[in-house]
Amino acid sequence: EADIYQTPRYLVIGTGKKITLECSQTMGHDKMYWYQQDPGMELHLIHYSYGVNSTEKGDLSSESTVSRIRTEHFPLTLESARPSHTSQYLCASSASAHTEAFFGQGTRLTVV
Amino acid sequence: ILNVEQSPQSLHVQEGDSTNFTCSFPSSNFYALHWYRWETAKSPEALFVMTLNGDEKKKGRISATLNTKEGYSYLYIKGSQPEDSATYLCAFIGAGNMLTFGGGTRLMVKP
Repeated sequence: EADIYQTPRYLVIGTGKKITLECSQTMGHDKMYWYQQDPGMELHLIHYSYGVNSTEKGDLSSESTVSRIRTEHFPLTLESARPSHTSQYLCASSASAHTEAFFGQGTRLTVV
Repeated sequence: ILNVEQSPQSLHVQEGDSTNFTCSFPSSNFYALHWYRWETAKSPEALFVMTLNGDEKKKGRISATLNTKEGYSYLYIKGSQPEDSATYLCAFIGAGNMLTFGGGTRLMVKP
């Protein structure tokens, strides 16, 4: 069973607010990923990390930022939420490129 | 931007039909190709991780093949059942080690 957790599961927030989406895993995985899901269920990579203190932007441009201070924790922050940020955000982790990735349950964000 | 494409986008079949989907990906700097199954209201779950050209993997009625030289993988489902209804995603890992997903194939199996 996957030990990767995202909080909150659902969030409704006003425009301009700062928010942090949490992602934690207890599997000791070095690689962690954040994806944004479009309405057609396609997953777009917005951030990834190889390990502590290493973060990279993904293919999809995003106004969010991430940090990786501890192996188990990979939070995503939006400094000023906008309605265009309304989406489902999925976090994943894997031990290596040759092993499967495990996904959290997702955070459904609505910015009003 | 890596180009990972899946076809068809959606597929409706009758229970008992066999079906297959395609995933195409860059043929250079290949590290691995993953297949995931994603049911509504759940998280994606891994089906296969494939790393070698010519790899064939099987799990029950589902199997997959890999051709890294030409950049494609096929996923086969034999004797589809209603519980097979889901979105099937492939994901490519290249030299950058990013896990990049295709758009998925949405399968609906009618009883």
